[in-house]
Amino acid sequence: SQTIHQWPATLVQPVGSPLSLECTVEGTSNPNLYWYRQAAGRGLQLLFYSVGIGQISSEVPQNLSASRPQDRQFILSSKKLLLSDSGFYLCAWRGPGQENLYEQYFGPGTRLTVT
Amino acid sequence: AQSVTQLDSQVPVFEEAPVELRCNYSSSVSVYLFWYVQYPNQGLQLLLKYLSGSTLVKGINGFEAEFNKSQTSFHLRKPSVHISDTAEYFCAVSDQKRGYSTLTFGKGTMLLVSP
Repeated sequence: SQTIHQWPATLVQPVGSPLSLECTVEGTSNPNLYWYRQAAGRGLQLLFYSVGIGQISSEVPQNLSASRPQDRQFILSSKKLLLSDSGFYLCAWRGPGQENLYEQYFGPGTRLTVT
Repeated sequence: AQSVTQLDSQVPVFEEAPVELRCNYSSSVSVYLFWYVQYPNQGLQLLLKYLSGSTLVKGINGFEAEFNKSQTSFHLRKPSVHISDTAEYFCAVSDQKRGYSTLTFGKGTMLLVSP
C-alpha cells in the first residue's frame, strides 16, 4: 500500500532563516505531488504541483520554492522566512492515469511557526 | 476555475443527533466531488467521493453525501454523530489549472460534537 511521509512534524524558525520541508511517497511510481498551505480559517491553498522529476508548477508567487529531485520526493524551501509563512503545510499525491485523475491523498503535515 | 462554498464555518451539535454539512460548487460542467476530514494537527483523510452513477454516496464512519446537479450541491450527512466526529470537514471539486488536474477546496466546516 502507499504511504506518504512528511518531516519535520513541527518547526519553529526565526524570521529570515531558511526552510526545508520534505515529503516522500512510498508504494507508487510517478505520482503527481502537491504542496498546500493551510492558514487558520482560510482552507487549503495550493502552492506547488509536480508531474515528474524536475517539473514544478507554481500557483502562488511568494518567497517559497519547490523541487523534485527524485520521483517520490518533493521538497519545499525558502531562503528567508517571513512571519506570513507560518501555517500548516500539507503534501499530497495522486496516482498517474485517468482512473486516479483527481483523488488526492495527504501526508500528516508540518506545523511551521515563524517567530 | 471552480469554486466551492461551505456555507457554515462551524456547526455545533449534540452527540447522537443528525448533522448536515453544506457544500455548493460553481461548475456547470461535469465534476468530481469529494469530502475530506481533518482531525486536529493531522492531514486530510478522504471520507467519500462522487465520480458518477448513483447520486447518493456512502463513505467511511457512517457519512454519506448526495450529489444534486440542479442545485450544484454536495451536502454531507450523518444520522447520528459521535464525539469522535469532532473535526474539520472540507468539500472539494475537481478542477483544471493550466492543463493539469487538481482539486479546489472550500474553506472548511468545523463540526463540534458535545455530550
